[in-house]
Amino acid sequence: SAVISQKPSRDICQRGTSLTIQCQVDSQVTMMFWYRQQPGQSLTLIATANQGSEATYESGFVIDKFPISRPNLTFSTLTVSNMSPEDSSIYLCSVDLQGGKFQETQYFGPGTRLLVL
Amino acid sequence: AQTVTQSQPEMSVQEAETVTLSCTYDTSENNYYLFWYKQPPSRQMILVIRQEAYKQQNATENRFSVNFQKAAKSFSLKISDSQLGDTAMYFCAFIVGNAGGTSYGKLTFGQGTILTVHP
Repeated sequence: SAVISQKPSRDICQRGTSLTIQCQVDSQVTMMFWYRQQPGQSLTLIATANQGSEATYESGFVIDKFPISRPNLTFSTLTVSNMSPEDSSIYLCSVDLQGGKFQETQYFGPGTRLLVL
Repeated sequence: AQTVTQSQPEMSVQEAETVTLSCTYDTSENNYYLFWYKQPPSRQMILVIRQEAYKQQNATENRFSVNFQKAAKSFSLKISDSQLGDTAMYFCAFIVGNAGGTSYGKLTFGQGTILTVHP
């Protein structure tokens, strides 16, 4: 597996503001993923981020609300824009260490717990 | 569309005993992988075990094993000799592979089962 870190680990924000979450992995990976876990719920994929291309968003998630950057093979950011209390969730990044091969497994970062007041 | 169902919101077990967590899934695909992840209170998602759909042999990892019934679309997790550190939320997850051998990358998760191990 790899070492995956996220910053910040938690934050409390005011509605209307934006927060950028960073995900760093200690090895180069092709694909990085961002998930949302609402309180007491399961994980839902927000988008897939490949280096050098635009992120691919899942139904219900848009780039204006969740812009993603992927400047290199070890780093990605997710911004939660114009936040409302409904955005209070845990945000997790994951990576596919076998990058593009069929036998892939995703490994997760520790998550960012966001509370919007 | 793929769906994953975990019908047990909560389970409990005594330390050193065995517990089985249930998972069913629905897909029309033939190439796919199944996973169990655990999420302790620290919220870190940790891979427990994975199963390739084309393999008939059930996967095992130390005290963790699965019962994979492809025809029934069932994928249960058995934890033997339960330990206090096994207390966590357990998620069953599913991912489709495509004909070119590259996964689509989208993990579909079940609702989770909270497992509590009592001393």
